[in-house]
Amino acid sequence: AQSVTQLGSHVSVSEGALVLLRCNYSSSVPPYLFWYVQYPNQGLQLLLKYTTGATLVKGINGFEAEFKKSETSFHLTKPSAHMSDAAEYFCAVSDRGSSASKIIFGSGTRLSIRP
Amino acid sequence: GAGVSQSPSNKVTEKGKDVELRCDPISGHTALYWYRQSLGQGLEFLIYFQGNSAPDKSGLPSDRFSAERTGGSVSTLTIQRTQQEDSAVYLCASNLPGTGKGYTFGSGTRLTVV
Repeated sequence: AQSVTQLGSHVSVSEGALVLLRCNYSSSVPPYLFWYVQYPNQGLQLLLKYTTGATLVKGINGFEAEFKKSETSFHLTKPSAHMSDAAEYFCAVSDRGSSASKIIFGSGTRLSIRP
Repeated sequence: GAGVSQSPSNKVTEKGKDVELRCDPISGHTALYWYRQSLGQGLEFLIYFQGNSAPDKSGLPSDRFSAERTGGSVSTLTIQRTQQEDSAVYLCASNLPGTGKGYTFGSGTRLTVV
């Protein structure tokens, strides 16, 4: 069975500081990995995804994530936080061994940005 | 359509009543998923449909919950004899499996059971 663990339900950083949101996954087969963002009172939107190939994945709004198989991690980073980055972030995993598979989401990390 | 459409956007119902939530996926997307997001919680998988295959119902929390997908397109999630703990945002998503793309989510239906 697949699972996702997001370390830290709430992360607070200063504007301009590094953002690091941690995600570890468990999967018996090579996974697809995703980060989704949910802004206040809005739906979820895809931030970035890893499927195959390059392990460093760049997404929208300056975010990137690196797939580290040895650490079973897919941490999300952004070099310099902006006030508009305040949102809920969800890490997710799906089983790319299947032609169709549900995505399992982590419990989410709420990112707050201090002025 | 251009996106995943869910209706109603908000639903207030009395405890014990049945409710139906509708999802209209993106045209051509063969897979359709239902999730539930409770206040301050993550996304809880409920059920998914893929083409003509039997749906994966492993996430349905009780037998009060059921879903169907007619003609491989529109889906309806039905909750019978609603309880207050059913209050949540119900999200629908669709995608085309095998492409490695993430889901496209609808805006959700906010269900409040009073």
